[in-house]
Amino acid sequence: NAGVTQTPKFRILKIGQSMTLQCTQDMNHNYMYWYRQDPGMGLKLIYYSVGAGITDKGEVPNGYNVSRSTTEDFPLRLELAAPSQTSVYFCATGTGGSYEQYFGPGTRLTVT
Amino acid sequence: DQQVKQNSPSLSVQEGRISILNCDYTNSMFDYFLWYKKYPAEGPTFLISISSIKDKNEDGRFTVFLNKSAKHLSLHIVPSQPGDSAVYFCAASAQGSARQLTFGSGTQLTVLP
Repeated sequence: NAGVTQTPKFRILKIGQSMTLQCTQDMNHNYMYWYRQDPGMGLKLIYYSVGAGITDKGEVPNGYNVSRSTTEDFPLRLELAAPSQTSVYFCATGTGGSYEQYFGPGTRLTVT
Repeated sequence: DQQVKQNSPSLSVQEGRISILNCDYTNSMFDYFLWYKKYPAEGPTFLISISSIKDKNEDGRFTVFLNKSAKHLSLHIVPSQPGDSAVYFCAASAQGSARQLTFGSGTQLTVLP
């Protein structure tokens, strides 16, 4: 089992460009989450989903969008990239029956 | 407004000694607490957790203590090993929050051989 996979690993964007960060899980978990981690800071929740077709905002949703059409995939969309979105992005999953979340390896995004 | 705080950005400990990492929280609705370990260029991995109905949870070399009245928890690692060198994050969740986690800023633990 691959667990939680994220692509790409690294990406450099120009201001105003758009991109989608991919997240796929094979753990059959209903709950999925997107976090960002800025240098020297903890992880902040961007969006989350408790099942296919259901998404909700976290603490820092501005500038991002998500969709959840299947249990396995939870892509994160940046429409107009800004330097403030330079960060490391982590996708995570959970069963919903427990509090533990399982994280992907992250995507390092730089916007210049 | 940081609801979960880790006030020590770094900690150095000799191999074989005890490492104590601290975490404070302000939200009284938090009822479950977790510690995650993170190596560079990897995602966080779950280490140990504790429910608010307990004051201690132990798993091998790792023990988490919770003091609800002080809104404080700590992670003890005994004995510390060089492989324990990593960033440790404290996280908290409130009931009914879809298991959302609020993270502290992390403590870099370095275990010196």
